[in-house]
Amino acid sequence: QSALTQPASVSGSPGQSITISCTGTSSDVGGYNYVSWYQQHPGKAPKLLIYEVSNRPSGVSNRFSGSQSGNTAFLIISGLQAEDEAVYYCNSYTSSTTWLFGGGTRLTVL
Amino acid sequence: QLQLQESGPGLVKPSETLSLTCIVSGGSISGINYYWGWVRQPPGKGLEWIGCIYFTGTTYYNPSLKSRVTISVATSKSHFSLKLNSVTAADTAVYYCARHGVSWGFDPWGQGTLVTVSS
Repeated sequence: QSALTQPASVSGSPGQSITISCTGTSSDVGGYNYVSWYQQHPGKAPKLLIYEVSNRPSGVSNRFSGSQSGNTAFLIISGLQAEDEAVYYCNSYTSSTTWLFGGGTRLTVL
Repeated sequence: QLQLQESGPGLVKPSETLSLTCIVSGGSISGINYYWGWVRQPPGKGLEWIGCIYFTGTTYYNPSLKSRVTISVATSKSHFSLKLNSVTAADTAVYYCARHGVSWGFDPWGQGTLVTVSS
């Protein structure tokens, strides 16, 4: 069971938008609308940003949005702010009734 | 407000069993449609789902760890537990407990507890 594929790093300037991809297979990402995204700051527990591909929990900024095309899911962060600098992880339910994380993407705000 | 808190030894010897407990407060561990799971993160690395349990006792495990993992639940005591046997240095990680659904994501999380495997 290999981790979902994410870019190791992305960067952007304040105010810009960035997109992080998360690629899996038809047995996980592509088979269900069950992708979630997490933000993790150093030394902290991950925080849920998006669930079911594009739904935001209460309290999460609407600058965070999600989408999916085939076996790839996307996290879009608009209006980048310094506080968005963190590591982002995707997760998907799989056909084996397991859950699979991506390798993580480090976001640098320039 | 639902809160989770991990507890257990911070140091385990190689070949021994790692045992952690997650105490659930502010809500019921018997809620339908929720799974109670464990996730770990080796120092400087990414997240790895270990496994989860439904309040009925049904368990699901990461295939790569399945032979060494046991997750159990004590609904009457509002906690669930993780046992990982035959540990090696590769099992050194921050271990998190979290509630999750099939589709609803992992939320909330415990604060995490660092477990070091060393003699």
